[in-house]
Amino acid sequence: ETGVTQSPTHLIKTRGQQVTLRCSSQSGHNTVSWYQQALGQGPQFIFQYYREEENGRGNFPPRFSGLQFPNYSSELNVNALELDDSALYLCASSSPDTGENYNEQFFGPGTRLTVL
Amino acid sequence: AQSVTQLGSHVSVSEGALVLLRCNYSSSVPPYLFWYVQYPNQGLQLLLKYTSAATLVKGINGFEAEFKKSETSFHLTKPSAHMSDAAEYFCAVSDGSGGSNYKLTFGKGTLLTVNP
Repeated sequence: ETGVTQSPTHLIKTRGQQVTLRCSSQSGHNTVSWYQQALGQGPQFIFQYYREEENGRGNFPPRFSGLQFPNYSSELNVNALELDDSALYLCASSSPDTGENYNEQFFGPGTRLTVL
Repeated sequence: AQSVTQLGSHVSVSEGALVLLRCNYSSSVPPYLFWYVQYPNQGLQLLLKYTSAATLVKGINGFEAEFKKSETSFHLTKPSAHMSDAAEYFCAVSDGSGGSNYKLTFGKGTLLTVNP
C-alpha cells in the first residue's frame, strides 16, 4: 500500500510569484485535505476535496486554490505569494467509508515553501 | 467552532520518567480526538485516536490517552520516556460528523525533550 506522497520537497519562490504543490493520495482514498503549518505552529486547515469538488474551506483567501483529479491526486495553487506564505504545506488523504480507519487522515511528508 | 489548547509549549523529562502532555478541547458536538507526533522535517504520524468508543485509548509506541468529557480533556501519557520520543506532539479535534466533510483543528503543539 503506497502512502501519501508530496512534491516537491522544498521550494523557494519570490514574493508575487505563483506556486503549485502536488499530492498523491493513499491508495483507496478519495478525500484530500490541505493544511498550512507555519514555523512553531500547529497545522491550519486550508481546504478539502472530495470526489473532485471542494468540500470545506478554512480561513484562507481566494488566492489559495486547489484541484482534485479523477485519480484523487490533488494540487494546491497559491497566487501572488506573500512572505507570510512561507510554511510547511501538508496534504492528508482519507476515506469516508466505514471501517477501522474511518475519519482518519493520513499525512504526507509535506512541502517546505520559502517565499523571499 | 472547535478549538484545542495544549498547555505547555515545551515539556522536558528525563529518560524513564513519566510523560504527560496536556490537551483540552472545545466542541459543540461529540468530538473525535487525535494525537499526532511530528519528528523534525517530517509530516504527522498518528499516535492514537478517540472516536466515542472506549475512553482510555492505547496507541503506538506505548502512548495512551484518556477522554474525560467532564474536564473536556484528552491528555497524552507514557509511563517511561525514551530518547526516541523526543519530538513535537499535536492534539487535534474534528467534529466527528463523519462523511467526507470534516477537518482537523490542531493545537499549537508541545515540544517534548527527553534528557539522558
